[in-house]
Amino acid sequence: DTEVTQTPKHLVMGMTNKKSLKCEQHMGHRAMYWYKQKAKKPPELMFVYSYEKLSINESVPSRFSPECPNSSLLNLHLHALQPEDSALYLCASSPGLAGVSETQYFGPGTRLLVL
Amino acid sequence: AQSVTQLGSHVSVSEGALVLLRCNYSSSVPPYLFWYVQYPNQGLQLLLKYTTGATLVKGINGFEAEFKKSETSFHLTKPSAHMSDAAEYFCAVSAESGYGQNFVFGPGTRLSVLP
Repeated sequence: DTEVTQTPKHLVMGMTNKKSLKCEQHMGHRAMYWYKQKAKKPPELMFVYSYEKLSINESVPSRFSPECPNSSLLNLHLHALQPEDSALYLCASSPGLAGVSETQYFGPGTRLLVL
Repeated sequence: AQSVTQLGSHVSVSEGALVLLRCNYSSSVPPYLFWYVQYPNQGLQLLLKYTTGATLVKGINGFEAEFKKSETSFHLTKPSAHMSDAAEYFCAVSAESGYGQNFVFGPGTRLSVLP
């Protein structure tokens, strides 16, 4: 099973709301990623969790807060977002054992609209 | 630093015609190269990857790519296009960073298949 699941599929929120995106994988992978993808653009890396520890924060605004409760789950908490944060948010995972030759497996994404 | 360029943001072919999507990379170390496909409103799916060994790599759905070090290229081909191949295609180079694997994506090429 090479599936990464994401919920919800779509999310509409106001600028004062708090919401969370959820990602789950049961492949035993130890590295998980959040990407942001604007329309007609490639994905951009936001966060990496390796063995449940946040390894990098690519200067993402603090209104995005990642959380990795366990090795299978990844959350992205959203608070006080701006309309320009509207995008497709993709989660990915990789085994975390073979370094840069590994394949990242992507979920279907959450389409976020901030009003 | 690694980078990826994809010549042609939009490529149109007729059904049954050859598909050629171009990818050139810049890397100071031996690269690990990937092709992903993204169908509308979906996540990314791995088509194929090159790590080491044979320079002609075969992937899913009849696609293949050839790693040419002298030309710093990793072009994607398919002998005969199907309507179902219409999608966005991303070439990526995987690089080592301080936290582990970092995917650098090209800007993408949108493939249209005409009946």
